[in-house]
Amino acid sequence: GAVVSQHPSRVICKSGTSVKIECRSLDFQATTMFWYRQFPKQSLMLMATSNEGSKATYEQGVEKDKFLINHASLTLSTLTVTSAHPEDSSFYICSARDPGSKTDTQYFGPGTRLTVL
Amino acid sequence: ILNVEQSPQSLHVQEGDSTNFTCSFPSSNFYALHWYRWETAKSPEALFVMTLNGDEKKKGRISATLNTKEGYSYLYIKGSQPEDSATYLCARPTGGGNKLTFGTGTQLKVEL
Repeated sequence: GAVVSQHPSRVICKSGTSVKIECRSLDFQATTMFWYRQFPKQSLMLMATSNEGSKATYEQGVEKDKFLINHASLTLSTLTVTSAHPEDSSFYICSARDPGSKTDTQYFGPGTRLTVL
Repeated sequence: ILNVEQSPQSLHVQEGDSTNFTCSFPSSNFYALHWYRWETAKSPEALFVMTLNGDEKKKGRISATLNTKEGYSYLYIKGSQPEDSATYLCARPTGGGNKLTFGTGTQLKVEL
């Protein structure tokens, strides 16, 4: 089946620094990837849709200058949390759609736990 | 129902028990319903994509049914095993079908 990796799995950083999270589709090419954030005891909340070769589409309320998304190749999307603050501490998870799939199934990475001190 | 709702929030069962939980969603403009299983420290794994009213899909001991007219789907697990312990998520496509809106999940724990 389609495999998506995500790196790092866990990161701790100081307030004010920037953190980059990578999402890779390992055995398929993904023109579209998605970035989600999960708050404790809540559902996965879509932050943005990452489109290869074009600008990401952000959901309402998500600051695009705070959460920079780059989808420079068909197998890699990155999310950079700029000038991170403690309120950005959360679980971030990406997914990708396999264009060869007959359904709209999204294949997920294992997620990144970000802690900002 | 305005969005996707799942119940119960958590469930503890004994090994060998059969169990089921519910996903409710808006019945208007139905397109599809996705079920995922999410084990701790792993990636969410796609279980089923259901599209037709009355659909029933099966994968091993897990099966799911769909009622689009009343806006619900049931996930059943027969003879639960400890390895079934996970959070089960359902999601519906929104935003023209390109995005998924998830429920909060049902956390299942199967005890020996």
